[in-house]
Amino acid sequence: QLQLQESGPGLVKPSETLSLTCSVSGGSFSSSSYYWGWIRQPPGKGLEWIGSIYYSGSTYYNPSLKSRVTISVDTSKNQFSLKLSSVTAADTAVYYCARTAYTSSPWDVWGKGTTVTVSS
Amino acid sequence: SYVLTQPPSVSVAPGRTARITCGGNNVGSKSVHWYQQRPGQAPVVVIYYDSDRPSGIPERFSGSNSGNTATLTISRVEAGDEADYYCQVWDSSSDGWVFGGGTKLTVL
Repeated sequence: QLQLQESGPGLVKPSETLSLTCSVSGGSFSSSSYYWGWIRQPPGKGLEWIGSIYYSGSTYYNPSLKSRVTISVDTSKNQFSLKLSSVTAADTAVYYCARTAYTSSPWDVWGKGTTVTVSS
Repeated sequence: SYVLTQPPSVSVAPGRTARITCGGNNVGSKSVHWYQQRPGQAPVVVIYYDSDRPSGIPERFSGSNSGNTATLTISRVEAGDEADYYCQVWDSSSDGWVFGGGTKLTVL
């Protein structure tokens, strides 16, 4: 059964770059035509899609975050990564990685989420 | 960008029917998915493609989508249904995924 696991620093200083990795296990990563995405949830607030990457490398970013986001994939490690630059306290959130088969299909597999706090 | 609007909260007595709406411009032309999120947990799909139900989700959960409103209906509500619910679509005009603001379902 496919499993996703987020990892990365739980504390990031303001103005620095947040870096997270999602490790994919229990299934084929590089040969499957899926979209892999990052979704976050600030404390007490709703879900916000950050960006996604197709297995071929095409990327899609939330317009409100596009200037600060980079998503990449490393098929040799069965991982994909998120970098969010120039973070502020507003970027404090639980960050989830997830998978969907098509743009119109649901995010059907999620990681457990990792909490990132932006603070000096 | 595309906006999905949900009521912040819905309250219902056990055994009654809860309806959670998701409003958006011509949302009926899009595929709507619904997620249940319990505190401290990742979201779980409860309805996909407007009205399909994943295996393991009770038949009490159903969905519809027409015009400018999609609706998640939970029949015979149980205490265990208390959670936050989110609708979500793919917006082809902006090439992005969009979530509604979420609705907290309270079972009285």
